[in-house]
Amino acid sequence: AAGVIQSPRHLIKEKRETATLKCYPIPRHDTVYWYQQGPGQDPQFLISFYEKMQSDKGSIPDRFSAQQFSDYHSELNMSSLELGDSALYFCASSNRDRDYEQYFGPGTRLTVT
Amino acid sequence: RKEVEQDPGPFNVPEGATVAFNCTYSNSASQSFFWYRQDCRKEPKLLMSVYSSGNEDGRFTAQLNRASQYISLLIRDSKLSDSATYLCVVNEGDSSYKLIFGSGTRLLVRP
Repeated sequence: AAGVIQSPRHLIKEKRETATLKCYPIPRHDTVYWYQQGPGQDPQFLISFYEKMQSDKGSIPDRFSAQQFSDYHSELNMSSLELGDSALYFCASSNRDRDYEQYFGPGTRLTVT
Repeated sequence: RKEVEQDPGPFNVPEGATVAFNCTYSNSASQSFFWYRQDCRKEPKLLMSVYSSGNEDGRFTAQLNRASQYISLLIRDSKLSDSATYLCVVNEGDSSYKLIFGSGTRLLVRP
C-alpha cells in the first residue's frame, strides 16, 4: 500500500540558513500533520492542514511556516535555522472519515551545524 | 506532569512471554486513543486504535478505561520482532486532531 512520502530524507544546513521539507500524503487522505522529534524526545505537533486550510497549530516557531497545495502535498519552510532545530521532522496524513488515525512518513532528519 | 504518562521500561522478556503496558492521560476531553510502535530512528507506526469496548488484533489486545483515564496494551506470545518502543497516544481534546504522545515504553524480547 502507498505510504506517506517525505523528501529529502536527510538535510544538513548551517545556522541562519533556510530549509524546505516536502510531504506527499497517502492518496485520498485530506489532512496533513507536521511533527518534530528531537533527540530522545516525544514527537511534538507543529501544525496541520485540512483541505488546504490550516486546521490546527501547535508549538511551531514563528520562523517556520507551512502550507498545503491543491494536490494535497505540503511543505514546511524553516528560516533562520538554529542549532536547536536539529531533529527528525515527520509528516503524517489521515482521512477524516477514519477516526483520526494518522499514518507517518519516514521523516526528514535535519542537522543544523 | 506530562499529559500522557508511561512507564519508560525497558521491559526485558523472553520470547513467548506475555507483557502488558500501561498508560494514563490527563485530559478527560480526549476522544481518540492509539498505540504506536517506533523502532530506533524510524517513524511511529500505528499499531491499533483503542476503543472503550476493548479491541484485539492477533496477539495484541488494547483496553480503555475512560473513568480512570487509563489505557493498556497486552502482547501475548512475544516475538523477537516485537522489540521496539511502544507509544501511547491520545488526541488533545474534543474534536482536536492534534496527537499527544507519551514518552514510550521500551520492549526488548530476548531469544
